[in-house]
Amino acid sequence: AQSVTQLDSHVSVSEGTPVLLRCNYSSSYSPSLFWYVQHPNKGLQLLLKYTSAATLVKGINGFEAEFKKSETSFHLTKPSAHMSDAAEYFCVVISIKAAGNKLTFGGGTRVLVKP
Amino acid sequence: EAQVTQNPRYLITVTGKKLTVTCSQNMNHEYMSWYRQDPGLGLRQIYYSMNVEVTDKGDVPEGYKVSRKEKRNFPLILESPSPNQTSLYFCASSTGRLAGGHEQYFGPGTRLTVT
Repeated sequence: AQSVTQLDSHVSVSEGTPVLLRCNYSSSYSPSLFWYVQHPNKGLQLLLKYTSAATLVKGINGFEAEFKKSETSFHLTKPSAHMSDAAEYFCVVISIKAAGNKLTFGGGTRVLVKP
Repeated sequence: EAQVTQNPRYLITVTGKKLTVTCSQNMNHEYMSWYRQDPGLGLRQIYYSMNVEVTDKGDVPEGYKVSRKEKRNFPLILESPSPNQTSLYFCASSTGRLAGGHEQYFGPGTRLTVT
């Protein structure tokens, strides 16, 4: 079984300040983890992914995330928020299993960027 | 242009009237999947297909059917829609097993309202 919890449903930041989006997961097997972003009225776009290589993962648009197995976390950060970062962000987990391709999305974190 | 297309983008229908939402990808991807997105619940997987004629249930398959007769197409069928199937639906495709870290490419979404 697997699950994902995004600890904040909404995050509000000022432009130019850091962004932190928190994600905790549970998985019976070694997980692959993803962060996707959804801008208003758009489909989802991959920001970054972890697949058992480096624990610090860099993605597009200045985002990065760190996989911490001991804390079962995969938090997403960006040093300086931009107005274009206003969107909804989803943490996603999938377990490496012998068969199947089920994946689980977190409930999403909506980011508001204030000028 | 590499893309996933869905039709229709918007649909309003009545309870019990069968409908099909089409999904097509032009990237020769083996893996395709359907999700529904509801506020606060993130995306939940309905069905997925790992190749032609191979489909499997996701987390919320009740009330839905799928077929995969061709690699590029993966239609979602609602035989007897009900109001609780009012949602935003996304189709996605991927080159391979998601556990291997393969990125999913999402369609633009279909907003379905069942009255």
